[in-house]
Amino acid sequence: DAGVIQSPRHEVTEMGQEVTLRCKPISGHNSLFWYRQTMMRGLELLIYFNNNVPIDDSGMPEDRFSAKMPNASFSTLKIQPSEPRDSAVYFCASSAPGLALDTQYFGPGTRLTVL
Amino acid sequence: LAKTTQPISMDSYEGQEVNITCSHNNIATNDYITWYQQFPSQGPRFIIQGYKTKVTNEVASLFIPADRKSSTLSLPRVSLSDTAVYYCLVGENTDKLIFGTGTRLQVFP
Repeated sequence: DAGVIQSPRHEVTEMGQEVTLRCKPISGHNSLFWYRQTMMRGLELLIYFNNNVPIDDSGMPEDRFSAKMPNASFSTLKIQPSEPRDSAVYFCASSAPGLALDTQYFGPGTRLTVL
Repeated sequence: LAKTTQPISMDSYEGQEVNITCSHNNIATNDYITWYQQFPSQGPRFIIQGYKTKVTNEVASLFIPADRKSSTLSLPRVSLSDTAVYYCLVGENTDKLIFGTGTRLQVFP
């Protein structure tokens, strides 16, 4: 199993540009999560999907952030327009049906730098 | 959601047993206790999960007293490769996860 796949692994962009982060969950997993990690705030849950439907997006910081899951094997997190304070590592995670929600498998993360 | 409190950091030496305690005074009846490990430049990785008493796997043991208001992650004979951040999480199956800041374990030779 390839695990959770995220792309790109690193992204450097300028303030005001649109950024799209991509995630492919583990095949057969039906829950998908987007997290953001910074030194100041630690690991924060932004949004999670169950069976491709957004269940809780209360962690999404503001309207500049949006997430989609068009099918069971793909999700995107978009930031438009990006700002320097969005610089962080963004993780995607997935979990399987039948497992407790706590048992998640994380991808390697995307390190975003907004100049 | 039950809030958790754990030490910010711990130091140890290779070969020693490390015990990291997490307090969760407001744990609810349906809540599970789960620990994750995060190495630098990687995503967190599930270590162990329990509900009560003791759980052991190939990586660690988890001790949960009868009142479930705390739990202790025990790592036997740590090595340098166990240097990581360890997160204690409490919640029921349908809750979202709050990772917090975790405990940064540094293992010295």
